[in-house]
Amino acid sequence: QKEVEQDPGPLSVPEGAIVSLNCTYSNSAFQYFMWYRQYSRKGPELLMYTYSSGNKEDGRFTAQVDKSSKYISLFIRDSQPSDSATYLCALGLGGSEKLVFGKGTKLTVNP
Amino acid sequence: GAVVSQHPSWVICKSGTSVKIECRSLDFQATTMFWYRQFPKQSLMLMATSNEGSKATYEQGVEKDKFLINHASLTLSTLTVTSAHPEDSSFYICSAPPRLAGDTETQYFGPGTRLLVL
Repeated sequence: QKEVEQDPGPLSVPEGAIVSLNCTYSNSAFQYFMWYRQYSRKGPELLMYTYSSGNKEDGRFTAQVDKSSKYISLFIRDSQPSDSATYLCALGLGGSEKLVFGKGTKLTVNP
Repeated sequence: GAVVSQHPSWVICKSGTSVKIECRSLDFQATTMFWYRQFPKQSLMLMATSNEGSKATYEQGVEKDKFLINHASLTLSTLTVTSAHPEDSSFYICSAPPRLAGDTETQYFGPGTRLLVL
């Protein structure tokens, strides 16, 4: 079993839809949970990061962590064509340790 | 957020030559930087951890003599792909965790360097 599992998609939704992106993980020692957005041929851009179970909201984005289930999610409300990108979850043990990335989910929001 | 730059943004070279890629933290100091490689439609794979003033730590399966890393200052790490071959063609990305109050656990990525070896 891989440390982090993420459905690569692709996922295609109409503009305005609510998008749900998910990752599961196996190592309960992970403490930091991040979501990155990567446009084609660009470096990843940090979207959200959380340290604990629960929800964290930032504008149209909500990150959710369920440590008991080892499950993290990113919700995008009122999705826009500009949200079309690959979304990567990343998990860390802390202390500037390396991150473990999911495969990324390619999202397309159609106008 | 913190800014990380990379140079060059893309490079084409002949097989057998060496290529140097620079990673700079522009507005913060980074004692640690990470080098990743990303093949098309694949996720980021960590190659090595670059430590300022000491040897880099390489991930299993990454040849340290082929991918030379130098972290000579708190704002600069370089990755040199020696004797590059077509299979080394990839997207190389660096990242650095900034030492900002309350923000030490996140990493910021450079824009990446696309390498094509002919």
